[in-house]
Amino acid sequence: GAGVSQTPSNKVTEKGKYVELRCDPISGHTALYWYRQSLGQGPEFLIYFQGTGAADDSGLPNDRFFAVRPEGSVSTLKIQRTERGDSAVYLCASSRQGRDSPLHFGNGTRLTVT
Amino acid sequence: QKEVEQNSGPLSVPEGAIASLNCTYSDRVSQSFFWYRQYSGKSPELIMSIYSNGDKEDGRFTAQLNKASQYVSLLIRDSQPSDSATYLCAVLTSSNTGKLIFGQGTTLQVKP
Repeated sequence: GAGVSQTPSNKVTEKGKYVELRCDPISGHTALYWYRQSLGQGPEFLIYFQGTGAADDSGLPNDRFFAVRPEGSVSTLKIQRTERGDSAVYLCASSRQGRDSPLHFGNGTRLTVT
Repeated sequence: QKEVEQNSGPLSVPEGAIASLNCTYSDRVSQSFFWYRQYSGKSPELIMSIYSNGDKEDGRFTAQLNKASQYVSLLIRDSQPSDSATYLCAVLTSSNTGKLIFGQGTTLQVKP
């Protein structure tokens, strides 16, 4: 596809469960970002990959959150022991380079923790 | 203090008027600034980028940057109802990691 693809589009899970959110960036984009957005707020930075490595993971709220990008393309955001406060839209974005290049966002995954 | 601050609004303007959206940032050495537009239920899309002090115009949009005042603004001329959306200011931090920080966004309502 031409754009950033995120799956699933919606995920409902019970408190305490484990979830994985997937992001397939635009082909050739080396930079990949994860953001979290709550209603009425701007996107909150979580983590940024340049290639396979996490260049900046300072936004991950705690050790329940983890993200990987093993082959420098698809990325998975993993959340352990989900809490109701994790409910939000998780946005993935990619760009050609990490700096000064526009981010192209996916449609997001809406996570609801019951 | 938040790294990037915006008035959440809503900012309401009549059709055809100029809408002025403002943003301040805390990292004095930030070099790159962006405006994204987000329609309700959709993802953000880039509308403007600016890197140097002064004005940058693209169609009905003008971005203004004042690094001394740590201030970025977006002007929308001849506002249309289709411009009604949330406008997000984003700042590339001074770190070398490419971390892009967003403000909370300003909701713009253009009334016919």
